[in-house]
Amino acid sequence: TQLLEQSPQFLSIQEGENLTVYCNSSSVFSSLQWYRQEPGEGPVLLVTVVTGGEVKKLKRLTFQFGDARKDSSLHITAAQPGDTGLYLCAGGSLTNAGKSTFGDGTTLTVKP
Amino acid sequence: DTGVSQDPRHKITKRGQNVTFRCDPISEHNRLYWYRQTLGQGPEFLTYFQNEAQLEKSRLLSDRFSAERPKGSFSTLEIQRTEQGDSAMYLCASSSRVVDGYTFGSGTRLTVV
Repeated sequence: TQLLEQSPQFLSIQEGENLTVYCNSSSVFSSLQWYRQEPGEGPVLLVTVVTGGEVKKLKRLTFQFGDARKDSSLHITAAQPGDTGLYLCAGGSLTNAGKSTFGDGTTLTVKP
Repeated sequence: DTGVSQDPRHKITKRGQNVTFRCDPISEHNRLYWYRQTLGQGPEFLTYFQNEAQLEKSRLLSDRFSAERPKGSFSTLEIQRTEQGDSAMYLCASSSRVVDGYTFGSGTRLTVV
């Protein structure tokens, strides 16, 4: 069974601060996705990373895939209240092309 | 295309009743997934279709759960003889390739009383 562990589970910061959240596994993934989810809604895809060591930037968000494709991080610069939400990582299996495995997420609260 | 649509958004049912949810995926996507999410947890895989073929079903699903995707278009998820433990958000997602990630619908919130 492939497991993804996300940390921290909860994070509360002030507007303007920087933060990093982590997604770790003992398994290798063919790809890894980050999603953001708001209460009562489905997750929304932010980014997909595929290559070990890959870095992608999306405005103030920077995503990195570990060299061994077992872990990933999401860094937010100058957080804003609109960044508040549940951040989920999901890994695509090398052996099972049919599904992704999700972590339990990091709940981020950015206070104005 | 308006994205992935799920109906209903909310469903309250009495224990023992049957319920059916519908998902309309993005029309170009041949892959369709059902996940279940409870409070404080990430989405948990239930089942996966490629076109009309159901290729995988979670061992967590009991025989009370069944899903169909006739003609490879919309999908339905039925839960028979609902139990309180079935209360959750049921999410449908579609994709064209696994590496591209999923487009999720807004989910159906099921409450079994």
